[in-house]
Amino acid sequence: DAGVIQSPRHEVTEMGQEVTLRCKPISGHDYLFWYRQTMMRGLELLIYFNNNVPIDDSGMPEDRFSAKMPNASFSTLKIQPSEPRDSAVYFCASRIHNEQFFGPGTRLTVL
Amino acid sequence: DAKTTQPPSMDCAEGRAANLPCNHSTISGNEYVYWYRQIHSQGPQYIIHGLKNNETNEMASLIITEDRKSSTLILPHATLRDTAVYYCIVRSSNNDYKLSFGAGTTVTVRA
Repeated sequence: DAGVIQSPRHEVTEMGQEVTLRCKPISGHDYLFWYRQTMMRGLELLIYFNNNVPIDDSGMPEDRFSAKMPNASFSTLKIQPSEPRDSAVYFCASRIHNEQFFGPGTRLTVL
Repeated sequence: DAKTTQPPSMDCAEGRAANLPCNHSTISGNEYVYWYRQIHSQGPQYIIHGLKNNETNEMASLIITEDRKSSTLILPHATLRDTAVYYCIVRSSNNDYKLSFGAGTTVTVRA
């Protein structure tokens, strides 16, 4: 199994642009989580899905952030418009039983 | 979920056991203790979890005190590749597998 796959691995964009981060969870996992990690705030849970349905988006910082999971094998996290303070590493994770498996992350830099 | 307290950093000699403490004095009866680690530039990795009893797997052992107010993660023979940030997390069995990551302990294994 390839594990959780995230793309792109690095993204550099300019303020005001739309950014879309992608995640392919491990097949058969029923939960998918999006996290953001910064030096200042550490690792924060943004939103999670159960069987493709968003369950808790209380961690999404603003309306500029949105996430979708159209099917069991794909999820996106979109930022529109992006701002420099959105610069961070964004992790996707999927879960089976008691263990979350994290992807390698997407390092986003907003100039 | 109950809060956890961990030392910010610790050093360990290669080949020796590393004992990582975690305080969770407000833990309640249905809350599990989880340990994850994050090697530099990678996503977090599950290590082990437990409720009341001590647990052991191929990576580590988890010792939970009888009153459950603290626990210790033991890496039996630390290697240089064990250098990472180690997170102790308390998770309620009712909270849908959400994890709240604190600052963790930065463990440096030295040759």
